[in-house]
Amino acid sequence: DAKTTQPNSMESNEEEPVHLPCNHSTISGTDYIHWYRQLPSQGPEYVIHGLTSNVNNRMASLAIAEDRKSSTLILHRATLRDAAVYYCILITQGGSEKLVFGKGTKLTVNP
Amino acid sequence: EPEVTQTPSHQVTQMGQEVILRCVPISNHLYFYWYRQILGQKVEFLVSFYNNEISEKSEIFDDQFSVERPDGSNFTLKIRSTKLEDSAMYFCASSGGLASSYNEQFFGPGTRLTVL
Repeated sequence: DAKTTQPNSMESNEEEPVHLPCNHSTISGTDYIHWYRQLPSQGPEYVIHGLTSNVNNRMASLAIAEDRKSSTLILHRATLRDAAVYYCILITQGGSEKLVFGKGTKLTVNP
Repeated sequence: EPEVTQTPSHQVTQMGQEVILRCVPISNHLYFYWYRQILGQKVEFLVSFYNNEISEKSEIFDDQFSVERPDGSNFTLKIRSTKLEDSAMYFCASSGGLASSYNEQFFGPGTRLTVL
């Protein structure tokens, strides 16, 4: 499984943008970049995924570096409900279906 | 919005007893998964299930574990003889597509298993 590196924790203020980084220097051409999050006492929740181009959805944006060795999950206006552990996970097209969770980044949102 | 449900929310059992954890995946999904999370640790993959058979399993998923889709709606995880170290939160997940490289997995709220 390709590895990702994320900061252990980050802090933000409510209604401010948050940029959560992920390094994946050994990514291969068929690896998709997925982001999940886990709110306290809940199951993981899909956030967004991409391959090469930047992606937007109702929850967040995903900015992927041109060399694909890093990506950034962007929450445009953090709310208290966004306090969670965020996981960056690589999934190989045609490969294993399983999600391999690391320790993720624990995001604290201050009111 | 469709969701994955799990029962019970909390199960307490004695060491050596059998437990069955139940999940109802999203109705048109084809791929089913079990993960577990020991308190304070990472979420770990246990098993994936497709077309009525196991497609992949981890080292954790030994002979004490089994999965079943008995009636086309439920998806169960059985632990035959529970050990103290089986105490964890167990999450069921499902996905609709052919490959999770582009299809997200939807997780249930989990069952907390406590083995005494």
